[in-house]
Amino acid sequence: DIQMTQSPSSLSASVGDRVTITCRASQGISTYLNWYQQKPGKAPNLLIYAASSLQSGVPSRFSGSVSGTDFTLTITSLQPEDFAIYYCQQSFNTPFTFGPGTKVDV
Amino acid sequence: QVQLQESGPGLVKPSQTLSLTCTVSGGSISSGSYYWSWIRQPAGKGLEWIGRIYSSGNTNYNPSLKSRVTMSVDTSKNQFSLKLSSVTAADTGVFYCARAPDFWSEYFDYWGPGTLVTVSS
Repeated sequence: DIQMTQSPSSLSASVGDRVTITCRASQGISTYLNWYQQKPGKAPNLLIYAASSLQSGVPSRFSGSVSGTDFTLTITSLQPEDFAIYYCQQSFNTPFTFGPGTKVDV
Repeated sequence: QVQLQESGPGLVKPSQTLSLTCTVSGGSISSGSYYWSWIRQPAGKGLEWIGRIYSSGNTNYNPSLKSRVTMSVDTSKNQFSLKLSSVTAADTGVFYCARAPDFWSEYFDYWGPGTLVTVSS
């Protein structure tokens, strides 16, 4: 199985901050990488697919990029509704696997 | 607007079989352009992909659960189902059903709200 790691595991930020979360795979996955946001008691919500494509309806302050084997989710100006847990997920092959999550709180 | 809804018992006894159904509305499960997956999340923990099924009935399971998992699809009811046998307390968690477009990079664009299943005697 492809193992996914995320850093940091948690971060504290304020409204208006620029936030960056990194995800790395245990092997090359090209751009087969997706990002989700999950709020307490809710299902995950797709933000970014194929490393950098913004899902329809997702605010443009969210963006994804890749550099080598490192994938980055950036929130350019954190909003109150963005405090949540963020997961990356590889779809390079099955079994699909998720990162352990990054909690963004105040 | 596509909607998914999980249903099934919230309490299952150890060693028994967990059975869940996902009902899809707002779109046909047999359109042939989507995979339908089950994903679970133990309380306070991360996400684990259980497996997926295509409208044709073709399946892919997570090897870690393969010996205990069976998925099926009922296109007449626009539903797909999960059976997980020989459950233990470690199988307790929230179970989600989700849709993934048949795209080169598979991603889960629609999810059910999730259903909590507790394994306990």
